[in-house]
Amino acid sequence: EAGVVQSPRYKIIEKKQPVAFWCNPISGHNTLYWYRQNLGQGPELLIRYENEEAVDDSQLPKDRFSAERLKGVDSTLKIQPAELGDSAVYLCASSFLARRAGRQYNEQFFGPGTRLTVL
Amino acid sequence: AQSVTQPDIHITVSEGASLELRCNYSYGATPYLFWYVQSPGQGLQLLLKYFSGDTLVQGIKGFEAEFKRSQSSFNLRKPSVHWSDAAEYFCAVGRPNTGNQFYFGTGTSLTVIP
Repeated sequence: EAGVVQSPRYKIIEKKQPVAFWCNPISGHNTLYWYRQNLGQGPELLIRYENEEAVDDSQLPKDRFSAERLKGVDSTLKIQPAELGDSAVYLCASSFLARRAGRQYNEQFFGPGTRLTVL
Repeated sequence: AQSVTQPDIHITVSEGASLELRCNYSYGATPYLFWYVQSPGQGLQLLLKYFSGDTLVQGIKGFEAEFKRSQSSFNLRKPSVHWSDAAEYFCAVGRPNTGNQFYFGTGTSLTVIP
C-alpha cells in the first residue's frame, strides 16, 4: 500500500512569490494534517482536516496561508506571498481513527515532506 | 495545556552502547504516546506507540519505551546502538477521546560514533 505522497520534495522560490504543496493521504484515512517543521524543531500543526472540513486551523497564518481538501481526499497548501521566514519543511500526515479498550486512538503516517527555501 | 519536553537536544553515543532518550509530558489524564524517528531529508517514521495496557512497549529496530505514569515520562531505550540509528527522534503525545490532536517535542538529535 502506498504511503502518504507529497510533492514537490524541494522548492526554492524568491520572497513574495506564491508556492503550493500537494498531499495525497493513505487511502481510507479521513484525517489529514499539515505541519511545518523549522530547522531543529518538532513539527507544528498548521491545519487539520476531518474529511473535507478544516476542524483546526488556529495555527494557520491566514493572511498568507490557505489550504483546501476538496472531496476529502488530497489536499493543497498554499502560501502567497512567501516570506523569508517561511523556509521550512512542510509535512503532511494522515490518520484513521479507531477504538480499542474503550478509548479512541489513532496513528499518524507522515509523508516525506516538502523542503521550502525562500530566498 | 499539553506539552511535551525532550530535555536532551543532542546525544552522542558509541556504537554498541546503550541508549536512553527522555520524554516528559504534561497532561491531566493518561495520553497516548509515540516515538518517531526522522532521518535527514525524510519524513517521520513511527518507532512505537502506547495506548493502554502493558507499560513497556516494544517497537521496530530494537527500540522499546516505558510509560511511567508517576513520572509523566515515556523514555525510549535501545540496548545496543547501531550506526544507522543516527537520526532525529521525536516524542509525541495524543489526547485520548479527542481523536486527532497531537503535540510533538522539539526532538533529540542522536550521533553515533564508531
